[in-house]
Amino acid sequence: DSGVTQTPKHLITATGQRVTLRCSPRSGDLSVYWYQQSLDQGLQFLIQYYNGEERAKGNILERFSAQQFPDLHSELNLSSLELGDSALYFCASTLSGASTDTQYFGPGTRLTVL
Amino acid sequence: AQSVTQLDSQVPVFEEAPVELRCNYSSSVSVYLFWYVQYPNQGLQLLLKYLSGSTLVKGINGFEAEFNKSQTSFHLRKPSVHISDTAEYFCAVSGNTGFQKLVFGTGTRLLVSP
Repeated sequence: DSGVTQTPKHLITATGQRVTLRCSPRSGDLSVYWYQQSLDQGLQFLIQYYNGEERAKGNILERFSAQQFPDLHSELNLSSLELGDSALYFCASTLSGASTDTQYFGPGTRLTVL
Repeated sequence: AQSVTQLDSQVPVFEEAPVELRCNYSSSVSVYLFWYVQYPNQGLQLLLKYLSGSTLVKGINGFEAEFNKSQTSFHLRKPSVHISDTAEYFCAVSGNTGFQKLVFGTGTRLLVSP
């Protein structure tokens, strides 16, 4: 158990819909990362937050957005969903986001878009 | 920018045999290197990381990796594998300054059979 929690574990929805994925980092960790894992794209970095502020953006679509709240949990919002958005979405947390840090991954949310 | 190449998508091996999973990276700046493991239906877990110092890095579960700057490689090795080592292994690279932004390889599936 990494100490990072993600809810829900599974999510099935239809095209055009909007969903919210939630992540609670390890106790004491200030930085949160979001990743998308799919068969064709592999593991792709989406976005990083540190203590409530966005720090880095990766291959995140404009239809996707995220935020980190004062209690440090984070939410990833996916809207106007397409079939190709079906994937595993992982959250990871680190103490400070420093380049030497170890990222601790949650168990993931499996999103299926029908 | 950094990139990682894992040439082998799948490596089959018999139990108690040695194994090497290959990783090559590309970067215009100095880097930190990581190996993560993903067991079925789980998130990623750090095996080991190279930050500085000795080029031979030892990790969990009997794995080790050697950083070779001239060959821009960071191959993962284990002298004797177990059935329980069956998993997906990801090599990742990050620049060594500022906030961490991991770039992952496409992964190598290690299949250990009796």
